[in-house]
Amino acid sequence: TQLLEQSPQFLSIQEGENLTVYCNSSSVFSSLQWYRQEPGEGPVLLVTVVTGGEVKKLKRLTFQFGDARKDSSLHITAAQPGDTGLYLCAGNTETSGSRLTFGEGTQLTVNP
Amino acid sequence: NAGVTQTPKFQVLKTGQSMTLQCAQDMNHEYMSWYRQDPGMGLRLIHYSVGAGITDQGEVPNGYNVSRSTTEDFPLRLLSAAPSQTSVYFCASSYSFLSPLHFGNGTRLTVT
Repeated sequence: TQLLEQSPQFLSIQEGENLTVYCNSSSVFSSLQWYRQEPGEGPVLLVTVVTGGEVKKLKRLTFQFGDARKDSSLHITAAQPGDTGLYLCAGNTETSGSRLTFGEGTQLTVNP
Repeated sequence: NAGVTQTPKFQVLKTGQSMTLQCAQDMNHEYMSWYRQDPGMGLRLIHYSVGAGITDQGEVPNGYNVSRSTTEDFPLRLLSAAPSQTSVYFCASSYSFLSPLHFGNGTRLTVT
């Protein structure tokens, strides 16, 4: 059973469209991170959210941490082909301690 | 800075062979970890270390050994390779277990 469930698993959209990716759990997270991975490379951190209800913006990307710190979302406005990649959420719970758990990822393809 | 360096990039093994995946970081990070990435499964934690001389098991430790004799290096040993260990392996480091991870570019391992 995956501690962090991401949806959708695959997403293919046209340039200019908006999209939202979800990361859900039944556990409470101390912090949650979002990473983006391109083919042949390791994941690269996009953002860390710590406080319940927190919203962070990174250009066209908006990240939200749920009030109860059990879920998070990533919204991309006016997607571009350069946004194509695998988006991963990852988090620590109070019981997982030093272990950072990853979701399965959302593979996003933005077609020109 | 080189960041996190993994070698080799590609490796093919026969069942039963052993090998060591190398990982080195030059950021003086205390926390290092090994993940494997399989399609549809995200990244799963194999072993991690919170400092030199200290290692612990992650989600999927069976068949793998690690050691941390220096802050910089965290090698992963496959004792007797099995086809189920065919995967892409990522090493990561961070200042602490609550800090964002810096990933290497991975080692693609095939066991026949």
